[in-house]
Amino acid sequence: GESVGLHLPTLSVQEGDNSIINCAYSNSASDYFIWYKQESGKGPQFIIDIRSNMDKRQGQRVTVLLNKTVKHLSLQIAATQPGDSAVYFCAETMEYGNKLVFGAGTILRVKS
Amino acid sequence: DAGVTQSPTHLIKTRGQHVTLRCSPISGHKSVSWYQQVLGQGPQFIFQYYEKEERGRGNFPDRFSARQFPNYSSELNVNALLLGDSALYLCASSLGGSKEKLFFGSGTQLSVL
Repeated sequence: GESVGLHLPTLSVQEGDNSIINCAYSNSASDYFIWYKQESGKGPQFIIDIRSNMDKRQGQRVTVLLNKTVKHLSLQIAATQPGDSAVYFCAETMEYGNKLVFGAGTILRVKS
Repeated sequence: DAGVTQSPTHLIKTRGQHVTLRCSPISGHKSVSWYQQVLGQGPQFIFQYYEKEERGRGNFPDRFSARQFPNYSSELNVNALLLGDSALYLCASSLGGSKEKLFFGSGTQLSVL
């Protein structure tokens, strides 16, 4: 079946550096994408979303880029902090409603 | 304002038993979704309810059922529990029914022995 996947299962960065987490999706019909952060023992926390009519969207210290040509999504975190350490999931919607399809996740480790 | 609240936070059951998990959405949110997250994996969609009606269902057996109440809270029921049902069960709410931000609760950790 079609699914959302991640290139890197674990990413280690130095505190203060920028982080880039990548995600590939396979369904060209998907038109809404979300990045979530999940800390141990907690539910996924909304970070940022983007619709398919946009290529880029910025939030506070985060930027999401969408490349529909190659079906690629990325999350950029500026000046990564220890509190950013978590598992990051990208998710897409493939149909009407709020059924999200999640990728397997990328572990982000921030070294002080 | 309170976020999505789920109860209980942890639960231990034995095979064959049934379980009921509860969720209260964010005030004003009319849609509730349920997801199952097995350790080391991303959440998997189980159900979505909007205005008390089932909007979508994932690839889960009929042992899984849910409902939404007039106050928009929801219950997830699982019958005849299997060891493989051990997981974190997440509830998420949103304002409406389609392609909106989902806000997740902290989940119910179910262990089936």
